[in-house]
Amino acid sequence: DAGITQSPRHKVTETGTPVTLRCHQTENHRYMYWYRQDPGHGLRLIHYSYGVKDTDKGEVSDGYSVSRSKTEDFLLTLESATSSQTSVYFCASRLAGEMTQYFGPGTRLLVL
Amino acid sequence: AQRVTQPEKLLSVFKGAPVELKCNYSYSGSPELFWYVQYSRQRLQLLLRHISRESIKGFTADLNKGETSFHLKKPFAQEEDSAMYYCALSGHNTDKLIFGTGTRLQVFP
Repeated sequence: DAGITQSPRHKVTETGTPVTLRCHQTENHRYMYWYRQDPGHGLRLIHYSYGVKDTDKGEVSDGYSVSRSKTEDFLLTLESATSSQTSVYFCASRLAGEMTQYFGPGTRLLVL
Repeated sequence: AQRVTQPEKLLSVFKGAPVELKCNYSYSGSPELFWYVQYSRQRLQLLLRHISRESIKGFTADLNKGETSFHLKKPFAQEEDSAMYYCALSGHNTDKLIFGTGTRLQVFP
């Protein structure tokens, strides 16, 4: 568990402001993922990365962008936060060739 | 389309009772199935995966390809089993996991 961290752990922001969440892993995992967790929806994939500078969209990518400039960091940016983006955000990572994903502790984001 | 269905949002049992959390999937090939558990306000943790066929914390799950199910079972529930449980599926030609909407298990003393 200690190999995957997220920052910040809690954030309150206002509608229309940009927000960046950071995921950091020390496992040298090739793949990294961003999910949001909402009641009644479970976990939904926002974006994922299959290598440095290689990213792809998930099922709920609108309003979000990501960047991965090095193996250990995967950033999620809400370009202009909206109240519908209030959620708990989880990062995950895994090794290539292994489907088990390992999760970070989550970030609680409140958009007012 | 790939889909994971967990029909129960909430399952409440008393300590010592058997538990079965249902998971049905839709996938045209041979999927890999997982159960993840999330204790209160904690990160998700892998509970078990079907290819390892192991029993973790007394839980087991058998992949039934005929019924496209991967139900999670435990013969005697404990209070510490209270948590959110997610079933997830991965296909062999995909980089992603598809999660169900989760079932909250409450075990009363």
